[in-house]
Amino acid sequence: LAKTTQPISMDSYEGQEVNITCSHNNIATNDYITWYQQFPSQGPRFIIQGYKTKVTNEVASLFIPADRKSSTLSLPRVSLSDTAVYYCLVGDMVPSNYQLIWGAGTKLIIKP
Amino acid sequence: SAVISQKPSRDICQRGTSLTIQCQVDSQVTMMFWYRQQPGQSLTLIATANQGSEATYESGFVIDKFPISRPNLTFSTLTVSNMSPEDSSIYLCSVRQGAANQPQHFGDGTRLSIL
Repeated sequence: LAKTTQPISMDSYEGQEVNITCSHNNIATNDYITWYQQFPSQGPRFIIQGYKTKVTNEVASLFIPADRKSSTLSLPRVSLSDTAVYYCLVGDMVPSNYQLIWGAGTKLIIKP
Repeated sequence: SAVISQKPSRDICQRGTSLTIQCQVDSQVTMMFWYRQQPGQSLTLIATANQGSEATYESGFVIDKFPISRPNLTFSTLTVSNMSPEDSSIYLCSVRQGAANQPQHFGDGTRLSIL
């Protein structure tokens, strides 16, 4: 099972770009990389998912190097409302072998 | 993405009782899962709710303690049986639609406190 390692916490300021890096050294060939955001008293919310290279959507970008042993979630121009816990997950999405391990997540605090 | 509703959103229960949590989805989904999240902690997968058959439990979780039903493709229940204070936690339902590489989507959870 591929485990992930993220910083426990990060601080930044409104308007800045925030990059959160996740390490997953034993990622398997079939594993996708998925990031979630969680606010207090809410369930995790899907942000972005990728397999290799770069993925971008309306809220974030995900950078994955060629060896796929790490990934970086990039949040452009953060605001106070981006204060949340961010989880990086690596898992085999095949139903017959479905396994996902949630790491401790990164608590991101955005300051004014 | 699917809209997921969990009931109740929170409850306070007495030791030794059982509580059934419901998860309703507004569209048919391939997979449904139940997680536990203790305050300030990450998520732990309890089981995969299989439609029409017994749930698949993760290590450390058993059917007698956490019976699960999934009668159709839009609904599942998780029962927390014979509760003790250690069961105080947030219980989350998640779903996945379509292909195997699609991400999960979560309900807002049930916050359970055991006295």
